[in-house]
Amino acid sequence: AQKVTQTQTSISVMEKTTVTMDCVYETRDSSYFLFWYKQTASGEIVFLIRQDSYKKENATEGHYSLNFQKPKSSIGLIITATQIEDSAVYFCAMRGLTGNTRKLIFGLGTTLQVQP
Amino acid sequence: DAGVTQTPRHEVAEKGQTIILKCEPVSGHNDLFWYRQTKIQGLELLSYFRSKSLMEDGGAFKDRFKAEMLNSSFSTLKIQPTEPKDSAVYLCASSLMGPYEQYFGPGTRLTVL
Repeated sequence: AQKVTQTQTSISVMEKTTVTMDCVYETRDSSYFLFWYKQTASGEIVFLIRQDSYKKENATEGHYSLNFQKPKSSIGLIITATQIEDSAVYFCAMRGLTGNTRKLIFGLGTTLQVQP
Repeated sequence: DAGVTQTPRHEVAEKGQTIILKCEPVSGHNDLFWYRQTKIQGLELLSYFRSKSLMEDGGAFKDRFKAEMLNSSFSTLKIQPTEPKDSAVYLCASSLMGPYEQYFGPGTRLTVL
C-alpha cells in the first residue's frame, strides 16, 4: 500500500531564513508523482510544486525547491528567504498511474511558523 | 478561468438528516475528487471520478456517502443519514486527466449536532 509520512509536526523559523520540510513515501509503482501543497489559515489548499519520479533534476518553483532522493524514498521541500506569509500547513502527497494508486495520498502535514 | 467552487461553505445538520454538498470543477478538468479533512485523519479520499465515471469510492465511506457527477461540470456529495462523527471539512478537487496536480475548492465545513 502507498503511504506518505511527514515526521515533523511543526517547525518555527525566523523570517528570511531557509527551511526544509521532510517527507518520505512508500510505493511499489515504478513511476509516480510527488507534490507539495500549502494550506493557509483560511483553509485554502494551494498546489506548490511537483516532482516526477523519472526525472533526476530537482524541481524548482520560485522560492520553493525540492530535494528528491529516490533511493531513500524522500522528497524534501525547501523554502528559501521565508516570509511571514509562508506560515501555513504544508502537505506532501503522492500519486501513481494505475489502478488505485491514481488517487492522491497525503501526509498529515507540517505546520510552519515564520517569526518576524 | 474560475477555480473549483463549492457550496455551501458552511452547513449545520441535525443527526439523521440528509445533506448535499455541491462542487463545480475547473473547466476542462476530467478528474474530480472528494476528500474529507479532519485533524486526526488528515485528508481522506471519499470518491474519485474520471470523465464522470466513478473510479474509486473510498472504501470505508461507501454506506452513507454517495458522490455523483451529473455532468462534466457539476458534482454532488450526499451524506445520508448524517452522524456527529461526520463533522469535518469536505473538499472537492479537480485536475487534468493524468498524474497532474489537483486544484482544490474552498471546502464545506459540516457540523452535525
